[in-house]
Amino acid sequence: GAGVSQSPSNKVTEKGKDVELRCDPISGHTALYWYRQSLGQGLEFLIYFQGNSAPDKSGLPSDRFSAERTGGSVSTLTIQRTQQEDSAVYLCASSAPNSPLHFGNGTRLTVT
Amino acid sequence: GNSVTQMEGPVTLSEEAFLTINCTYTATGYPSLFWYVQYPGEGLQLLLKATKADDKGSNKGFEATYRKETTSFHLEKGSVQVSDSAVYFCALRRTNDYKLSFGAGTTVTVRA
Repeated sequence: GAGVSQSPSNKVTEKGKDVELRCDPISGHTALYWYRQSLGQGLEFLIYFQGNSAPDKSGLPSDRFSAERTGGSVSTLTIQRTQQEDSAVYLCASSAPNSPLHFGNGTRLTVT
Repeated sequence: GNSVTQMEGPVTLSEEAFLTINCTYTATGYPSLFWYVQYPGEGLQLLLKATKADDKGSNKGFEATYRKETTSFHLEKGSVQVSDSAVYFCALRRTNDYKLSFGAGTTVTVRA
């Protein structure tokens, strides 16, 4: 079966532009996570969706970052007015209840 | 709060050498502990896990034992192969929580 799919795999954008990153979770997985992986650092939690509950946005680094999950499936992470420090690999993961997280291959974002 | 500290890399080994990657954690209660692996060009995948004290997780020749007394979950493999070259992440999840807290990752390179 298909795993977690993220697009694009690579994105280069100019400082100040907005970007949208997409995540298609595994079918039937109710939980969806976004993490950020910066060079030389661990994975930083950004946001969590579970079913129809309000998302946990506690990890979003600024109000330039937002995410939504439509129909309990596909999720989009949006970064407005990108800055160079936003350059990182953005990872999406999904899981079934009480099961391990399955990660996508990530989107490598480069802000020039 | 919860945190995971793992051995800094990079680690370079010869084939058939013994590998240890240290991981210690700070958390209240009895978290579940995980090792994730990220092979070149791929997404993170679960390598092994342990959910209670003295549990041993094992997979692909790797082992890690949940040591409550030393708050550790060190990863070991007795004889590494070139195909084990990857980035290894230690992680924890508190009981009844959904977020994984990750360590910074350890890059392992195995030379033929």
